[in-house]
Amino acid sequence: GQNIDQPTEMTATEGAIVQINCTYQTSGFNGLFWYQQHAGEAPTFLSYNVLDGLEEKGRFSSFLSRSKGYSYLLLKELQMKDSASYLCALPSGGYNKLIFGAGTRLAVHP
Amino acid sequence: DAGVIQSPRHEVTEMGQEVTLRCKPISGHDYLFWYRQTMMRGLELLIYFNNNVPIDDSGMPEDRFSAKMPNASFSTLKIQPSEPRDSAVYFCASSLVSGREQGNYGYTFGSGTRLTVV
Repeated sequence: GQNIDQPTEMTATEGAIVQINCTYQTSGFNGLFWYQQHAGEAPTFLSYNVLDGLEEKGRFSSFLSRSKGYSYLLLKELQMKDSASYLCALPSGGYNKLIFGAGTRLAVHP
Repeated sequence: DAGVIQSPRHEVTEMGQEVTLRCKPISGHDYLFWYRQTMMRGLELLIYFNNNVPIDDSGMPEDRFSAKMPNASFSTLKIQPSEPRDSAVYFCASSLVSGREQGNYGYTFGSGTRLTVV
């Protein structure tokens, strides 16, 4: 089985940096995904980590520590449009079935 | 490609009625997933298909729920009879490949169907 924990809500200021954490427990690790979901819209793929370390993609970076069961999503130079829910997800039963955490609702204010 | 297409976008129905949700995956994608999202339970996987064959339906809540994929370009999720607690947003998603390579792309989700059962 799997267990995924994320903070429920976070707030941050436009232009700042925010780190959204995800801790997990899983019986077999096959990578970790981050998705972004704006209110009333579908989740969209942000990143995938399978090896330890930091992966950078523009303003967004994702970090993984397999030994600690820990990941974070780092958002730099925050913009108002970054206000959304951020979902951490793990494959289950192989690669093909994604199980999502409850998500972290991020509010960016001026 | 138009992406994953779901219909209808919104559905309001009375308790006890049958509801059918529809999904057209991205052409060439061989995995299709049905998820349900509520405030209380988040995003839950209901069932997924590979090459039109149901692989795992352990997330289907009750016998009132059924899903089919008669061909590679169409899937349905049916609720009969519907109940107020079925009110949620239902998402369909598709995926091109299996295994580690999927990590480069993740799933592509449709826009969802917001179901309200009154």
